Amino acid sequence: DGGITQSPKYLFRKEGQNVTLSCEQNLNHDAMYWYRQDPGQGLRLIYYSQIVNDFQKGDIAEGYSVSREKKESFPLTVTSAQKNPTAFYLCASTPAGRTEAFFGQGTRLTVV
Amino acid sequence: RKEVEQDPGPFNVPEGATVAFNCTYSNSASQSFFWYRQDCRKEPKLLMSVYSSGNEDGRFTAQLNRASQYISLLIRDSKLSDSATYLCVVNELNSGYALNFGKGTSLLVTP
Repeated sequence: DGGITQSPKYLFRKEGQNVTLSCEQNLNHDAMYWYRQDPGQGLRLIYYSQIVNDFQKGDIAEGYSVSREKKESFPLTVTSAQKNPTAFYLCASTPAGRTEAFFGQGTRLTVV
Repeated sequence: RKEVEQDPGPFNVPEGATVAFNCTYSNSASQSFFWYRQDCRKEPKLLMSVYSSGNEDGRFTAQLNRASQYISLLIRDSKLSDSATYLCVVNELNSGYALNFGKGTSLLVTP
C-alpha cells in the first residue's frame, strides 16, 4: 500500500543531543513538508522541499536541518540549537499540481 | 505567513445536532482551502476541499466566501464518531504550496 511512513513513533532525547526523524513516502509525490504541532496549537511549517536536492525554510526553521537526496525521503534533524524540541512532528507530501497534503502518523519527540 | 483564525471551542453538542464551524484567513492571495480532521494524538486527515460554489459530502457542507475571506463547515445529524478537532487549512503560493493551518476547533458529540 502507498503511503508516508514516519519513524520512530516515539523518541526520547537528552538535552544537547541531535536526533534525526525519518520520513519516507512511496506515493511518488514531488513535494514534502515537515510540520511541528504543540498541544492545543495548529501545525507550524518547519521546512519544505519541492524537488530533490532543494529545500526551503518554513516559519520555524531555526534549530532544524533537512536533506532531500532522494524523492522518497525527507529526514529532519533536530539539533541541540532547538531550544524547545518537545513536540509532535508531522511529515507530509503532495503530488505535483495538487495541494491536498497526505500525512505520516507522526513522531512524538520528548527531551528528557 | 498570514493567519488562519478559528474559534477553538470546545463545541459540545448532543447526537443528532447540527454544528457549524467558522474560519477566517488573512491572505487574500490564498488559492486552495480545506477542512482537515484530527483525532487525538493522530495525524490530520483530509475531510474535504472547499470550493467557491460550496460543496457537500454526505452530512458535511463546506462554504467559501472569497470576498469576506471566510470559510465554514456545517455538520448535520452529528454522530459520536464526529468528535475530533477540525482544522481549517489554506494554501499559499509563497510557501511552495505548503498548507497554512488554523489551530483547530474541538468538537465533542455526546449521547
